[in-house]
Amino acid sequence: DAGVIQSPRHEVTEMGQEVTLRCKPISGHNSLFWYRQTMMRGLELLIYFNNNVPIDDSGMPEDRFSAKMPNASFSTLKIQPSEPRDSAVYFCASSLGGSGLAKNIQYFGAGTRLSVL
Amino acid sequence: GDSVTQMEGPVTLSEEAFLTINCTYTATGYPSLFWYVQYPGEGLQLLLKATKADDKGSNKGFEATYRKETTSFHLEKGSVQVSDSAVYFCALLNAGNNRKLIWGLGTSLAVNP
Repeated sequence: DAGVIQSPRHEVTEMGQEVTLRCKPISGHNSLFWYRQTMMRGLELLIYFNNNVPIDDSGMPEDRFSAKMPNASFSTLKIQPSEPRDSAVYFCASSLGGSGLAKNIQYFGAGTRLSVL
Repeated sequence: GDSVTQMEGPVTLSEEAFLTINCTYTATGYPSLFWYVQYPGEGLQLLLKATKADDKGSNKGFEATYRKETTSFHLEKGSVQVSDSAVYFCALLNAGNNRKLIWGLGTSLAVNP
């Protein structure tokens, strides 16, 4: 299996621009998670989906952030407009979902390093 | 609410030294516990896990025992290698958290030759 695939790996943009991060979960996985990682705040859960439906978006920092999952094999995280404080590494993870430990092990992508100048 | 506390890093060791990274948790019920590892420039990957009290998770020479009496899940390795240099995250999963992993802040480990 190819694992969780994120694109782009690196993104450099200017303040005010729109940024779209992409994620392809592992085939057959029903839960998808978006995380942000910074030195100051560590790993933060932004939002997660189950069966393409957003379940908990309480970690989304503000209205500039939005996430979609139009189908089981694709999700986007969009920042509009971007600000320098959004600079971070953004990770996508997926899991089988459902009850039981094995179904809730999360598998991470390699991340997108975002720099907003 | 549930929480995970890890020892602060960075931790710097010489090759073949003994490693302990402390992790304690606060949770209701009977959570499952995990250690994830993040190598430089990569995403997190599962290192080991334990589902109930006294379970020992192990992988790649690392071990951690689920201690309910001390609410701990300390990570240990008898002899570290340079290739073990990474950030280590302790996490818990509780049925009440609806599949959300609760994460520690991570502990950076540097192993010198």
